[in-house]
Amino acid sequence: DTGVSQNPRHKITKRGQNVTFRCDPISEHNRLYWYRQTLGQGPEFLTYFQNEAQLEKSRLLSDRFSAERPKGSFSTLEIQRTEQGDSAMYLCASSPQGGQGLYNEQFFGPGTRLTVL
Amino acid sequence: QKEVEQDPGPLSVPEGAIVSLNCTYSNSAFQYFMWYRQYSRKGPELLMYTYSSGNKEDGRFTAQVDKSSKYISLFIRDSQPSDSATYLCAMSAPGDTDKLIFGTGTRLQVFP
Repeated sequence: DTGVSQNPRHKITKRGQNVTFRCDPISEHNRLYWYRQTLGQGPEFLTYFQNEAQLEKSRLLSDRFSAERPKGSFSTLEIQRTEQGDSAMYLCASSPQGGQGLYNEQFFGPGTRLTVL
Repeated sequence: QKEVEQDPGPLSVPEGAIVSLNCTYSNSAFQYFMWYRQYSRKGPELLMYTYSSGNKEDGRFTAQVDKSSKYISLFIRDSQPSDSATYLCAMSAPGDTDKLIFGTGTRLQVFP
């Protein structure tokens, strides 16, 4: 399967614990996105990487959240001191970079469902 | 007010019906308009993509964009039970990131 993969698929944790999620994009896609989706809502943009550079972060990404993409390949999203409000589906997407003004489809992974007790 | 508004439904229709799904938006900078389908506990998958205004047809699906009214639609003809899913509209403005702004999604149920 050459799609976007995410691990783990499910994570249950207690409030206050740290969690880390991993995303493996489609190979040679240099753009990588993280989104968060709560129940009954559409995905909301969290952050964007072009290769290894994190170029945009949403205001939703509090100081407890950190994302990395070392070497421009896989990415990790860490949440420190989790809160119940962090319970959501965390989606990763990747896309190739085309020419200026062209739209490049974002391919989504299956997501990591986080439950904070 | 959200940048993209979408009726969450649920929408329940009999098999074979024509389904109309809609979104409105407020940001006139949006140029790329997408419809994603999301099955339960799965990631979204792209159904249709339209640049600027106009219509686009792909099999049983037709996407329409009316930029003057800031209104987009997705029509599904001859709906099937397998079309039962949540349909998300998404939009993007030209720029460096192409980040997507999604509607809340409309849950569709097609019953036999």
